[in-house]
Amino acid sequence: DGGITQSPKYLFRKEGQNVTLSCEQNLNHDAMYWYRQDPGQGLRLIYYSQIVNDFQKGDIAEGYSVSREKKESFPLTVTSAQKNPTAFYLCASSIRAGENTEAFFGQGTRLTVV
Amino acid sequence: AQSVAQPEDQVNVAEGNPLTVKCTYSVSGNPYLFWYVQYPNRGLQFLLKYITGDNLVKGSYGFEAEFNKSQTSFHLKKPSALVSDSALYFCAVRDSGNTGKLIFGQGTTLQVKP
Repeated sequence: DGGITQSPKYLFRKEGQNVTLSCEQNLNHDAMYWYRQDPGQGLRLIYYSQIVNDFQKGDIAEGYSVSREKKESFPLTVTSAQKNPTAFYLCASSIRAGENTEAFFGQGTRLTVV
Repeated sequence: AQSVAQPEDQVNVAEGNPLTVKCTYSVSGNPYLFWYVQYPNRGLQFLLKYITGDNLVKGSYGFEAEFNKSQTSFHLKKPSALVSDSALYFCAVRDSGNTGKLIFGQGTTLQVKP
């Protein structure tokens, strides 16, 4: 099946720990995105990558880091510097950043700080 | 600054009645608009998009949306609601910076009652 796979579905983190959320796509898309979803706030962009080996900060990048070493993979690390990491995280991809095509979303990872 | 507003946190309709979920936008240049649906603890599913052409756009699951340039609106509609349509709906506009980023509204919960 073609699509975007996020893992794990649920993740619990202790205070002060870094955690990494996985996002893999087999759609051969150039562009990939990480969004954060909080109740009543819609989705906010954390980081995006228009092509392999390149990525840019989004609107709320502080406390997060990413890498794009392979076209199909765009992992997100939530560092201890992120003050309020409990949220639902969504990864998305689109064919190319400059085209007016829709983005495809993964099923999300719910991160909870315990 | 570009933005999307969904003025209603929740819309309640009876099954079989028509539904409308409202969205207004503010962009520089031509708007590229999208509607997505989200079921609990799931990712976003694409419903439809407006890029150019006819103001009435048809999408998945019987949904359609009407683009109105003078009112800067892109309302989602369906002639006859189903209980299974109950979900969270997001309107989004593509960022004009050619990055493929989406700017989302805060979401509207649609509740369809039998």
